[in-house]
Amino acid sequence: DVKVTQSSRYLVKRTGEKVFLECVQDMDHENMFWYRQDPGLGLRLIYFSYDVKMKEKGDIPEGYSVSREKKERFSLILESASTNQTSMYLCASSLWGLAGGPGEQYFGPGTRLTVT
Amino acid sequence: SQELEQSPQSLIVQEGKNLTINCTSSKTLYGLYWYKQKYGEGLIFLMMLQKGGEEKSHEKITAKLDEKKQQSSLHITASQPSHAGIYLCGADMEYGNKLVFGAGTILRVKS
Repeated sequence: DVKVTQSSRYLVKRTGEKVFLECVQDMDHENMFWYRQDPGLGLRLIYFSYDVKMKEKGDIPEGYSVSREKKERFSLILESASTNQTSMYLCASSLWGLAGGPGEQYFGPGTRLTVT
Repeated sequence: SQELEQSPQSLIVQEGKNLTINCTSSKTLYGLYWYKQKYGEGLIFLMMLQKGGEEKSHEKITAKLDEKKQQSSLHITASQPSHAGIYLCGADMEYGNKLVFGAGTILRVKS
């Protein structure tokens, strides 16, 4: 079974703090993704990575950065947390699909981040 | 995403009743993934559809991709409390390795 783990289920941080969210997958997947999920907005892609040290901006990268130093690990960094970054953060990983398209994504349990 | 619309946004059904959730795209779908999410948890993969007219079933859940590949429906037969949760569709719209997700449908099943 594919397993995607996230470092924390719940996190409370203060405005202006630097926040690290860690994601680890154990299936040697090339692709890893960070999403945030907000009521009524569904999943929005923040950043993704298709290889070690490679990263691509998603739909809402502002205020975030990422790091992928090892294939199995993908970190999301909030440089200076703000209250509008209070959200559920979901990590996912996948292989490449057919003909280079997206494959099935496997999700972690999520981190509910509250910024006060 | 506005590229992918899910309907309804939420529904409450009596246990034992059937229900349908729709996922409609403004563009051709090259692959459509259905996921289920329990409140506060990650997404669990249900099934994937790629070919127009394709239909797949898992237990009492059936999903279909229409012939024009712009809409998918998820049908639950004889709903049970265990079916409650959020159902999301994710679509391959040929943006490389990214999926576009709908906003989700919240399903509550009354006993």
